[in-house]
Amino acid sequence: GAGVSQSPSNKVTEKGKDVELRCDPISGHTALYWYRQSLGQGLEFLIYFQGNSAPDKSGLPSDRFSAERTGGSVSTLTIQRTQQEDSAVYLCASTTGRSNQPQHFGDGTRLSIL
Amino acid sequence: QQPVQSPQAVILREGEDAVINCSSSKALYSVHWYRQKHGEAPVFLMILLKGGEQKGHEKISASFNEKKQQSSLYLTASQLSYSGTYFCGTGSGSARQLTFGSGTQLTVLP
Repeated sequence: GAGVSQSPSNKVTEKGKDVELRCDPISGHTALYWYRQSLGQGLEFLIYFQGNSAPDKSGLPSDRFSAERTGGSVSTLTIQRTQQEDSAVYLCASTTGRSNQPQHFGDGTRLSIL
Repeated sequence: QQPVQSPQAVILREGEDAVINCSSSKALYSVHWYRQKHGEAPVFLMILLKGGEQKGHEKISASFNEKKQQSSLYLTASQLSYSGTYFCGTGSGSARQLTFGSGTQLTVLP
């Protein structure tokens, strides 16, 4: 079946602009995660959605970052007033929502801030 | 806190073995292992749970020492396709979030 889909695959924008990144999880997966991966670095947790529960936003680096998940499916990560340090690959993953299940990752969005 | 992976990088010849370690300063409930090839998404390898249960689908093995809060991934008779960056992700208690290490870059040469 279809995997996790992210769009766009690449985004280049000017400093100060807002960007929206989209994630379409695997059908039926109730849990969705956003991560940020800077060049040559590990995966930095940003935010976690589980069903209708309040999201865990503990990883968001600043109030310029926000995310929503509509209808328990598609999620959008928004970065306002982008800065050069926001340049990274943003990865989305989904799981069934049960504990200790593999995370299935999308191919990511490579964000470059000029 | 981020788990510590070692080594940071390793270069092997085809057929050689490698061990990648993951250590945490926090009590662990689970350890997940993923492999990421350059420019691609991380791919699930294995989950190890407190109490010894393992879930995986590739011919690799791993250990989970709860007392030492460590996990090790064993790659035997390495193949060219094993090249990539290996990440461990650690889970504590009932939390479903994972904290990932900074990765171990594995290169297998012919």
